[in-house]
Formats: sequence, structure tokens, C-alpha cells
Amino acid sequence: NAGVTQTPKFQVLKTGQSMTLQCAQDMNHNSMYWYRQDPGMGLRLIYYSASEGTTDKGEVPNGYNVSRLNKREFSLRLESAAPSQTSVYFCASSADRVGQPQHFGDGTRLSIL
Amino acid sequence: AQTVTQSQPEMSVQEAETVTLSCTYDTSESDYYLFWYKQPPSRQMILVIRQEAYKQQNATENRFSVNFQKAAKSFSLKISDSQLGDAAMYFCAYRRGGGGADGLTFGKGTHLIIQP
Repeated sequence: NAGVTQTPKFQVLKTGQSMTLQCAQDMNHNSMYWYRQDPGMGLRLIYYSASEGTTDKGEVPNGYNVSRLNKREFSLRLESAAPSQTSVYFCASSADRVGQPQHFGDGTRLSIL
Repeated sequence: AQTVTQSQPEMSVQEAETVTLSCTYDTSESDYYLFWYKQPPSRQMILVIRQEAYKQQNATENRFSVNFQKAAKSFSLKISDSQLGDAAMYFCAYRRGGGGADGLTFGKGTHLIIQP
């Protein structure tokens, strides 16, 4: 049982390039999330999805787009990468029952030069 | 908006001793959930313990326990018999209650060092 799988694990981009981070979960969860983690900070919510076909903005959505492709997959796209988007990105999922914890992927370290 | 504050950027404890990590939060909700996550150098986010706000009893998981003070909006984590494997960043997190897919609000974390 893989849980939440993120690809790639590391990526270096140049300013202005585009990139899609992939996330898939095999726990049959409806809810999925994207966070970013910057040095000295906790995780901050970028976007989330309550179910297939629905997405909502979190705390820091600017510069990102998301797609909930199906129940398993939730991708995060940077259309024109900026150095300020250098961060570690985490995908997570959770069951629908109220208060259930989120299960996290191993993260993607993204550097934008 | 909810906020979560961890006032200890770094804590150090001797192996086998007990350490308490502090967390306070601000919310106008009465129904919510609180979590502690551990992040070792491997970068994984690992759930340590979970507390429902409507429960007065403090949650425990083996060597990990919480002191939940709802009126004071305080949610501290106690680690007993500290082990070298406990060395990590620890994040306190909040989620409001009710249905729907709400994200977590995290504190900035506490770096826990275990001295052998």
C-alpha cells in the first residue's frame, strides 16, 4: 500500500518555465490537498479538492493551478515559475469522516533559478 | 482566520528524559481538531497524535501525550522517555470541525534535539 505518491522528488527549473507536480493516492480518499513548506515555516495550504471535479483556493494560491483528474490524482501546475516559488511541496489526502488526519506524500523539492 | 503559534523554535532534551512542546491557537470555532505531526530529516510528515476539541480527556499514544486546555487554547505535546529517534521537527496543526475538505493550519514548528 503506497499511500500518497508524489512525482518528481526533486526538480530544478529556470524562471518562466512551466511544471506540473503529480500526486496520486490509493486510499480511496475523496479529499486531497497541496501545501508548500518554506524554511522556518510550517506548511501552508495552496489548493484543496473535496471530490473529483471540485477545487478550492487555500491560503497561498497565487501563481498555481490545480486539476483533480479523477479520485486518485490531484496535480499542481506552475505556469510561469518564479524564484519565490522555490519550496518543498507536499500533497496530502484524507478520508471524509470529520476530523480524520491527513496522510502526506514525501514531498517535492522544487528550486527555481 | 485561525492561527497556530509554536513559541519554541528549538528544544533540547537528554535521552530518556521528558520534554514538553508548546502550542497555542486562536479560533472562534467551538468544534475543531488538533494534531501533532513529526517531520524527521527524511522530510516525511508523520502523524503523532490527534485531539478532538469536544473531548475533555487528553489523547495519549504510547510515550506521547497532550495537555489540551480548551479555555486557554493551548495544546502541548509531552514526550516521555525521549529516544534518539524522536529527534525531528514537530508541527502543531489545527482543523476546524464540520464536514468538507478543510486544510490544516500549521504552526512554524519546534526543532527537537535529543542529547545522547
